[in-house]
Amino acid sequence: GAGVSQSPSNKVTEKGKDVELRCDPISGHTALYWYRQSLGQGLEFLIYFQGNSAPDKSGLPSDRFSAERTGGSVSTLTIQRTQQEDSAVYLCASSPRAIVGVQFFGPGTRLTVL
Amino acid sequence: GIQVEQSPPDLILQEGANSTLRCNFSDSVNNLQWFHQNPWGQLINLFYIPSGTKQNGRLSATTVATERYSLLYISSSQTTDSGVYFCAVGANFGNEKLTFGTGTRLTIIP
Repeated sequence: GAGVSQSPSNKVTEKGKDVELRCDPISGHTALYWYRQSLGQGLEFLIYFQGNSAPDKSGLPSDRFSAERTGGSVSTLTIQRTQQEDSAVYLCASSPRAIVGVQFFGPGTRLTVL
Repeated sequence: GIQVEQSPPDLILQEGANSTLRCNFSDSVNNLQWFHQNPWGQLINLFYIPSGTKQNGRLSATTVATERYSLLYISSSQTTDSGVYFCAVGANFGNEKLTFGTGTRLTIIP
């Protein structure tokens, strides 16, 4: 596609349930990032994938959060046993090898935990 | 970690006015980007500018890396310029994770 796509656009879940958020990066982009945006914390980095290298998971807030990137393309962010403080907009970005660092963002998934 | 401060936090202007948004950062960076988050939440790339000056239409940006600040200039503002402007920096070659400032909320009044 022309840009980064994310699904679903909105997700409402009950506390304690697991959720999966999907990101489709721009075709050919080698780097993929997850961030989240919440009222209290602003925009914060979660995890970074670059090619076949081990991901940088240093931003994941707890072990309930995990992410994978299959085949160097699509990525899934999984949150287990969701808590109300997980409510936020989860943003995915990708960047091309040629201009590493210039990140293009998707529209985000708004997660609401009741 | 690196700290990013943006000022002013809020700015209300009449259509046609000019504005300057500032971003200060606490350490050397190899990546600096300006984004506009529109009212629908989409983050739109404005500039990739770890140093130097760039211009794109009514927008321009300058980063003085040695003094650890960047400026975003908006001239002849339009209502579509409304939204939140974020500065984001990266300080690790090979891992370009960004640290975002808290943003400047710009409101352009017709």
